[in-house]
Amino acid sequence: GAGVSQSPSNKVTEKGKDVELRCDPISGHTALYWYRQSLGQGLEFLIYFQGNSAPDKSGLPSDRFSAERTGGSVSTLTIQRTQQEDSAVYLCASSLSVLTDTQYFGPGTRLTVL
Amino acid sequence: SQKIEQNSEALNIQEGKTATLTCNYTNYSPAYLQWYRQDPGRGPVFLLLIRENEKEKRKERLKVTFDTTLKQSLFHITASQPADSATYLCALDMDTGRRALTFGSGTRLQVQP
Repeated sequence: GAGVSQSPSNKVTEKGKDVELRCDPISGHTALYWYRQSLGQGLEFLIYFQGNSAPDKSGLPSDRFSAERTGGSVSTLTIQRTQQEDSAVYLCASSLSVLTDTQYFGPGTRLTVL
Repeated sequence: SQKIEQNSEALNIQEGKTATLTCNYTNYSPAYLQWYRQDPGRGPVFLLLIRENEKEKRKERLKVTFDTTLKQSLFHITASQPADSATYLCALDMDTGRRALTFGSGTRLQVQP
């Protein structure tokens, strides 16, 4: 089926506003990952889900960041009271399970905070 | 914490030559190491995985080596083509308590026709 999809592809927001980023993983993939990539930088791990649970939230940069996953499928990453330093490309990936090594990435959401 | 180093300078080579990219890591012995390709505006795409007990892995024109003593992986593209131009990221597993990858910042490869 289709690969990992993310929406929106681009999001421009004003400082202080909340934003929601969405990820649709590959059907049947139980593991889902969120990463952040700043310009010219590598990927920074944020959070991963196995099913609907997130065993490790330590990568989230602050308590303004939260993520949830429902029905073992779609995930949303929410950033509250956005700051300019939140500007980056947010990438989602999925894999068959957390025991599977290969991750399949979506195209990302480019977030710009003015 | 795990640190991964890739040459931040772009690698420019002529078409037909072999491109060699380097990935060095510190502080941890990963169970495996992966290489991804990333084109502008796109997410990374998985290329190859090599495990700690493997010295070398090949796939078509790609070859990856893994030296756990040197804590280094080399990524080779033979008979390079302009279409190989992209940024190449290495990634390795973190400790088993965290099921995610640590990525290097990538090396941009430019193959000149």
